[in-house]
Amino acid sequence: DGGITQSPKYLFRKEGQNVTLSCEQNLNHDAMYWYRQDPGQGLRLIYYSQIVNDFQKGDIAEGYSVSREKKESFPLTVTSAQKNPTAFYLCASSPRQSVAKNIQYFGAGTRLSVL
Amino acid sequence: DQQVKQNSPSLSVQEGRISILNCDYTNSMFDYFLWYKKYPAEGPTFLISISSIKDKNEDGRFTVFLNKSAKHLSLHIVPSQPGDSAVYFCAASGRGGTASKLTFGTGTRLQVTL
Repeated sequence: DGGITQSPKYLFRKEGQNVTLSCEQNLNHDAMYWYRQDPGQGLRLIYYSQIVNDFQKGDIAEGYSVSREKKESFPLTVTSAQKNPTAFYLCASSPRQSVAKNIQYFGAGTRLSVL
Repeated sequence: DQQVKQNSPSLSVQEGRISILNCDYTNSMFDYFLWYKKYPAEGPTFLISISSIKDKNEDGRFTVFLNKSAKHLSLHIVPSQPGDSAVYFCAASGRGGTASKLTFGTGTRLQVTL
């Protein structure tokens, strides 16, 4: 089945710890994205990548890091510098820009909590 | 600065009636608009979209209307069904370098009652 797989579904972080959230897609999409959702708020863009080995900061990149070594993978690391990491994290992907414009397809999300 | 606004956090509609969800935007560079549906603890699912060259797009029970002069769009669901109960997000993207980015509203929780 084609789709976007995020793991783990639930993740707990201790103080001062870095944690990495996995996102894999087999849709052959060029672009991938990381969003954060907090209660009562919309999705806020953390980082995005339009092509392998290239990525850009989104609106709330501080305290996060990413890599894009493979087309199908876009892991997100929540570093100890992120002081309020508790949130629902969503990964998305989209095909190269075309007439169909930017429809993004989302994974099921990872809920991160601080111990 | 909230560039995409959904001013109604919640909406309750009776089954079979019309649901109207509203969205306003402030950035005149936005030229493509999308609606997503989201169930709790799941990722958003793409529902329907509209380009700024159109004022209406229809797909089954879902219709999106765009009023560019008012910077307003709405999603109509007719007839509403209990399975439509979810949070609906409006999103927008622009031209050029921002074309790949989506800006989301805060969502409207729709509850369809029996």
